[in-house]
Amino acid sequence: KNQVEQSPQSLIILEGKNCTLQCNYTVSPFSNLRWYKQDTGRGPVSLTIMTFSENTKSNGRYTATLDADTKQSSLHITASQLSDSASYICVVRLTDSWGKFQFGAGTQVVVTP
Amino acid sequence: NAGVTQTPKFQVLKTGQSMTLQCAQDMNHNSMYWYRQDPGMGLRLIYYSASEGTTDKGEVPNGYNVSRLNKREFSLRLESAAPSQTSVYFCASSERGGQGSNQPQHFGDGTRLSIL
Repeated sequence: KNQVEQSPQSLIILEGKNCTLQCNYTVSPFSNLRWYKQDTGRGPVSLTIMTFSENTKSNGRYTATLDADTKQSSLHITASQLSDSASYICVVRLTDSWGKFQFGAGTQVVVTP
Repeated sequence: NAGVTQTPKFQVLKTGQSMTLQCAQDMNHNSMYWYRQDPGMGLRLIYYSASEGTTDKGEVPNGYNVSRLNKREFSLRLESAAPSQTSVYFCASSERGGQGSNQPQHFGDGTRLSIL
């Protein structure tokens, strides 16, 4: 069973609107949680990295939040643009295994004009 | 400013054939990784190399071998390809920072491999 669950699997939003993606994880202990953006046919690109002590981190129109108590994270996209159409992947880095990351399956976002 | 370069971008193999996927990074990173990405699943770690001269198994190493040729290059070899190895393979690199490092991974654009 995947220890990093993302929801929804996919969503369609109108250009200019906001949206929020969810990530629930059971991985423990962890050292940090990451969000990546993956364009079709490309490799993932890092958006944010948060340690367990951080609650929020922003990168332009992307804002990630983390609640380590409930083991939930979210990625908020503000004023969406067509270029935001991509898969967004939540990743948890394990503390007790060097180099080990647990990847979610991703949320596919489609921004329409 | 190439980052992580993977070759080839596409490959079709027959069952039983062998091939090597190449990966090179120009960011002077110590650590390199190989992942596979299958539909509906998260990326899964095949092998990683914490630093030049070392390699370790990841989550799904069976059927694969790796070589850390030097600091820049990390190759993945399929000795006898099987249809179950049809996937998209990604190479990544990062600064070494030990456990708990907050350094991001930098990914290549993948090799799309089909095995008939």
